[in-house]
Amino acid sequence: SQTIHQWPATLVQPVGSPLSLECTVEGTSNPNLYWYRQAAGRGLQLLFYSVGIGQISSEVPQNLSASRPQDRQFILSSKKLLLSDSGFYLCAWNPDRGGYEQYFGPGTRLTVT
Amino acid sequence: AQSVAQPEDQVNVAEGNPLTVKCTYSVSGNPYLFWYVQYPNRGLQFLLKYITGDNLVKGSYGFEAEFNKSQTSFHLKKPSALVSDSALYFCAVRDIEGGATNKLIFGTGTLLAVQP
Repeated sequence: SQTIHQWPATLVQPVGSPLSLECTVEGTSNPNLYWYRQAAGRGLQLLFYSVGIGQISSEVPQNLSASRPQDRQFILSSKKLLLSDSGFYLCAWNPDRGGYEQYFGPGTRLTVT
Repeated sequence: AQSVAQPEDQVNVAEGNPLTVKCTYSVSGNPYLFWYVQYPNRGLQFLLKYITGDNLVKGSYGFEAEFNKSQTSFHLKKPSALVSDSALYFCAVRDIEGGATNKLIFGTGTLLAVQP
């Protein structure tokens, strides 16, 4: 069966510090991968998606970047965090063939102080 | 433009009563529709989907949803609510214009509160 992992679960970082959040998927190959941010416990904002290694699409201009160095690994990064980067970050995957639903990881709670 | 609307920020229901969480959509072409549930500080869990076929779709935890093409709705239902159903519910539609990216367009979420 497929499993998605995210770490860390929680993170408190000062303004101006770098960020690296990691997401990995097990039990599938060539998944579509997605990074979302959820602010104030409600709406989801799609940040990045990837349909293959090294292929990253950004949905909104921002202080963040994403990379996919391996087939089942998706990394969200920032060189200098802003207060507005605080939120709940969710990674999701979707099979590249059929099964249009996405499956979400447990999330990372980021607080920028 | 494609969109999903969840007109209620919160739905309150007594335990044992039926519940409905509303969702309407706007897409070009045939919609692929989804419901997710989110418990506090957790990721979203997939509940059910409508792709084609029977308009009444059954999913996890006793939930079901009814696809209504004429009303462009996909309301989530459960015959008898449990306190443990209290959570945030999201409706989503596949972004048809996104092609093989299988991006989803999410509604703003509805908080379901089930009172004992």
